[in-house]
Amino acid sequence: QQQVKQSPQSLIVQKGGISIINCAYENTAFDYFPWYQQFPGKGPALLIAIRPDVSEKKEGRFTISFNKSAKQFSLHIMDSQPGDSATYFCAASILGGYNNDMRFGAGTRLTVKP
Amino acid sequence: NAGVTQTPKFRILKIGQSMTLQCTQDMNHNYMYWYRQDPGMGLKLIYYSVGAGITDKGEVPNGYNVSRSTTEDFPLRLELAAPSQTSVYFCASSYAGPYEQYFGPGTRLTVT
Repeated sequence: QQQVKQSPQSLIVQKGGISIINCAYENTAFDYFPWYQQFPGKGPALLIAIRPDVSEKKEGRFTISFNKSAKQFSLHIMDSQPGDSATYFCAASILGGYNNDMRFGAGTRLTVKP
Repeated sequence: NAGVTQTPKFRILKIGQSMTLQCTQDMNHNYMYWYRQDPGMGLKLIYYSVGAGITDKGEVPNGYNVSRSTTEDFPLRLELAAPSQTSVYFCASSYAGPYEQYFGPGTRLTVT
């Protein structure tokens, strides 16, 4: 049972463009939504995260938009750079819950062309 | 401060063989996790631990075992390797719960 659905699987963007990756979740108990960035041959690293009490969080060129009623959240990368080329994973979890597991989306491979 | 280290980086096993994937963290984190990453499937949680001596199953625990005798170490044991266990395995740790998790570099395992 896939609790977090991520799209698209792959994305190609020109340098300077906007990259948008979408995720949808099923479990309304989720209350922590991080995005992880993974470069080839490396482990994922936390990029940015949001709680459902806000609709948007911005850190530099990276923004999470969150729609609680639609159970969707998205990552926007402004002014995309070739160095942003990586695989991005959305995730969801319940903070303070009995289960400490994080449910990950399937990942989006982003390629930013120079 | 090395963060999360994993050994080995690569391993090829024959069906039925056993092995232990090692994971060590030096950040004094209470929580540690083992994930497997299959192409197009994201990361699936195998086992996790909330402290020394305490472990619990994740989403896909079958075929694996873990132990946590110290805060620093969280080894993952495969007893009878099967081709379905061919994957990249990541160990992660966090200070508290599913907040920011720090991942190791991964172990690529092939079972033939």
